[in-house]
Amino acid sequence: EAGVAQSPRYKIIEKRQSVAFWCNPISGHATLYWYQQILGQGPKLLIQFQNNGVVDDSQLPKDRFSAERLKGVDSTLKIQPAKLEDSAVYLCASSSRQGGQGNNSPLHFGNGTRLTVT
Amino acid sequence: AQSVTQPDIHITVSEGASLELRCNYSYGATPYLFWYVQSPGQGLQLLLKYFSGDTLVQGIKGFEAEFKRSQSSFNLRKPSVHWSDAAEYFCAVNTGGFKTIFGAGTRLFVKA
Repeated sequence: EAGVAQSPRYKIIEKRQSVAFWCNPISGHATLYWYQQILGQGPKLLIQFQNNGVVDDSQLPKDRFSAERLKGVDSTLKIQPAKLEDSAVYLCASSSRQGGQGNNSPLHFGNGTRLTVT
Repeated sequence: AQSVTQPDIHITVSEGASLELRCNYSYGATPYLFWYVQSPGQGLQLLLKYFSGDTLVQGIKGFEAEFKRSQSSFNLRKPSVHWSDAAEYFCAVNTGGFKTIFGAGTRLFVKA
């Protein structure tokens, strides 16, 4: 099966600019996640979608970050305006977990987008 | 709050030597447990998972992990390390909600 696709792979922007990342999950996967991975740290969940609805966005800095998942498939994550501390790798993941079922479905990750804010 | 601790930031082992990476979690019940590996410039790949049953689980690439309830641990092991195993390893838990929490990771260096 095709894996999780993300683009771009790398992005360099200046602070206060805006940026958008795109993710295409594995076909048929209902759940999609965006994680932020700062250098030297483990991934931190930003937002989780179940189909096209938000399940958890408690750690998303909503004053500058936004995400959407139209039609329950592709997703975009936007940062506007960017800050220096947003420099990180942004990972998209998907799982076949369905609402109401067990939570033992592993996550399938894309290769990430490395964002550098200068 | 649930948490995952990987006490070792980095570990260096010789090729052919055995490996053990430590993982401890904080949660009142038995969570779902995972180990992922991340090579430079890549996303995370699942090595193995534990849900219930036999506390020793086998994964890909010759890795295994043992769940010890009394110690709230889920340590990853490999009997003989290969140079290609050099990567960062993440322990993760899902506590029955929707969120999977990751540890800070352990970077493995393999010397010839």
